[in-house]
Amino acid sequence: EVQLVQSGAEVKKPGESLKISCKTSGYTFTTYWIGWVRQMPGKGLEWMGGIYPSDSDTKYSPSFQGQVTISVDKSISTAYLQWSSLQASDTAMYYCASRAGGVQWGQGTLVTVSS
Amino acid sequence: QAVVTQEPSLTVSPGGTVTLTCGSSTGAVTSGHWPYWFQQKPGQVPRTLIYDTSNKHSWTPARFSGSLLGAKAALTLSGAQPEDEGEYYCLLSYSGARVFGGGTKLTVL
Repeated sequence: EVQLVQSGAEVKKPGESLKISCKTSGYTFTTYWIGWVRQMPGKGLEWMGGIYPSDSDTKYSPSFQGQVTISVDKSISTAYLQWSSLQASDTAMYYCASRAGGVQWGQGTLVTVSS
Repeated sequence: QAVVTQEPSLTVSPGGTVTLTCGSSTGAVTSGHWPYWFQQKPGQVPRTLIYDTSNKHSWTPARFSGSLLGAKAALTLSGAQPEDEGEYYCLLSYSGARVFGGGTKLTVL
């Protein structure tokens, strides 16, 4: 069974850094792309970017290019989304999704950025 | 970046049929855009209904189907149920880059 388990909710201050994770299981990690999706409060889904774990080929949506970094650790079948300097506008729910088994979703990580 | 368009809202009667569409600013949607359809209800994780134009997950109710309709991707719901109310999003791929539509709020009334 394909599973994506995300790290827990985070509360951060503006300017802080953050790295959230998406641990996968139930399939060969390097076979399928993994993407990250933002959902701001009361808003729609936004594709942030995706990565092919086999070669770490990463494509970012223009809105998120340079704002976040997507990476993977193949040894532990885990994908990451990180910020170097958070802003209040980064407050949102973040989902990972994998093409494995159709498209499977993580449960989401709520990130709150507030002073 | 391409813009993906969906109807902002649609209403269907219980037992009725409705088609949601997904268009692309770059031209006709084809199978090469690998259209996906997701359903999201308030406070819940999105759920994948359709992938690669017309493939269903094991949990996708039979009343949902995906297709290409004219120049767009389409999600057809035949025999709407009250529990089908929610937000529906399509996702298209552009050579590895992906873009969501703005979502369609479906009301069953």
